Amino acid sequence: TQLLEQSPQFLSIQEGENLTVYCNSSSVFSSLQWYRQEPGEGPVLLVTVVTGGEVKKLKRLTFQFGDARKDSSLHITAAQPGDTGLYLCAGRDTGRRALTFGSGTRLQVQP
Amino acid sequence: GAGVSQSPSNKVTEKGKDVELRCDPISGHTALYWYRQSLGQGLEFLIYFQGNSAPDKSGLPSDRFSAERTGGSVSTLTIQRTQQEDSAVYLCASSLRSGSYEQYFGPGTRLTVT
Repeated sequence: TQLLEQSPQFLSIQEGENLTVYCNSSSVFSSLQWYRQEPGEGPVLLVTVVTGGEVKKLKRLTFQFGDARKDSSLHITAAQPGDTGLYLCAGRDTGRRALTFGSGTRLQVQP
Repeated sequence: GAGVSQSPSNKVTEKGKDVELRCDPISGHTALYWYRQSLGQGLEFLIYFQGNSAPDKSGLPSDRFSAERTGGSVSTLTIQRTQQEDSAVYLCASSLRSGSYEQYFGPGTRLTVT
């Protein structure tokens, strides 16, 4: 079974600070996705990365897929209270349709 | 357009009772997934349907869990003889086709077994 470990599990920061969330595995994934989930709602897709070494930017969010396609990071610049939520990484391997999810990073941005 | 809907939003049941959870996927989406999420944690895959193909049941934790998808649309997840460890949020997702990158999630059903 493929596993995805996220760190940190919980992060509380002040508005304006930068942060990085990590998603690591010993397995190779064909693609990796990042989701954000708010209380009482399902996860919402933020980005999909497919190519090793790929970097994608979404406004203040920067996503990177490791060269070996085993790990990924999410960097948020100048965090805002609206960034508060549970961030989940999810990997897909070539032989399986369902996603393998990490345990999540709960981010709280204080105004 | 309408997103993925799930019902009920909350379900409280006594240990040993059976429960049925419903998922209405986005119209036209051929793939449907069920996941389970324990409090504030990541998602655990349960079962996957793709068109008329045999479902991938590899994530079902025990034979008390089963799911159907009728007419390639609505799906029902059934848990028989519920146990307290079954308490979780059950999430349904659909995607346009198998292998499609984006899964659209419903709001989930929060199941509490007392």
